[in-house]
Amino acid sequence: KAGVTQTPRYLIKTRGQQVTLSCSPISGHRSVSWYQQTPGQGLQFLFEYFSETQRNKGNFPGRFSGRQFSNSRSEMNVSTLELGDSALYLCASSLGDRLSYEQYFGPGTRLTVT
Amino acid sequence: AQSVTQPDIHITVSEGASLELRCNYSYGATPYLFWYVQSPGQGLQLLLKYFSGDTLVQGIKGFEAEFKRSQSSFNLRKPSVHWSDAAEYFCAVGGYGGATNKLIFGTGTLLAVQP
Repeated sequence: KAGVTQTPRYLIKTRGQQVTLSCSPISGHRSVSWYQQTPGQGLQFLFEYFSETQRNKGNFPGRFSGRQFSNSRSEMNVSTLELGDSALYLCASSLGDRLSYEQYFGPGTRLTVT
Repeated sequence: AQSVTQPDIHITVSEGASLELRCNYSYGATPYLFWYVQSPGQGLQLLLKYFSGDTLVQGIKGFEAEFKRSQSSFNLRKPSVHWSDAAEYFCAVGGYGGATNKLIFGTGTLLAVQP
């Protein structure tokens, strides 16, 4: 079974621009979660989507948003990029039901904001 | 609020030596606990998990962890470290408020393995 894929793997953007990152979960998984990883703040939960609905949300500003499609693929968008948004963005997929708490992570998208 | 503490930022062990990585959590109920490993430039790989039952859990790559409720700890162990184990290790807790997939991570422990 193919793992979680994320595209693109690397991205360079300019401050003020917006960016969209994509995540394709493992086949059959209905939950996709997004995390931001930085040297200063570590791994932080952004949000989770399940069956096209945002189910949980972390403490990030509204510039960070996401969505999930009917095939469970998810995108996250960051508008008005700031230098501090430079990070590794990881997505994780899971079955999503209450009995399965295992999340499988993709390789991440490295975003650099200049 | 729930939190996870990994007191050791960096650990160096010799190849073949035993390893123990510490993890303490703060959580009001029975936690769901995880250990992940991250190699440079890679995502996170799940090593093992604890939800309930036997407090000693076995994972992949020869790792095990023991849940001790009285100490709020979930330490990761390996009896004999291999050079390929060099990586960063993250302890995480989930399940707070019913948010099963909202993981709170520790700051990580970077493991170096000496030949």
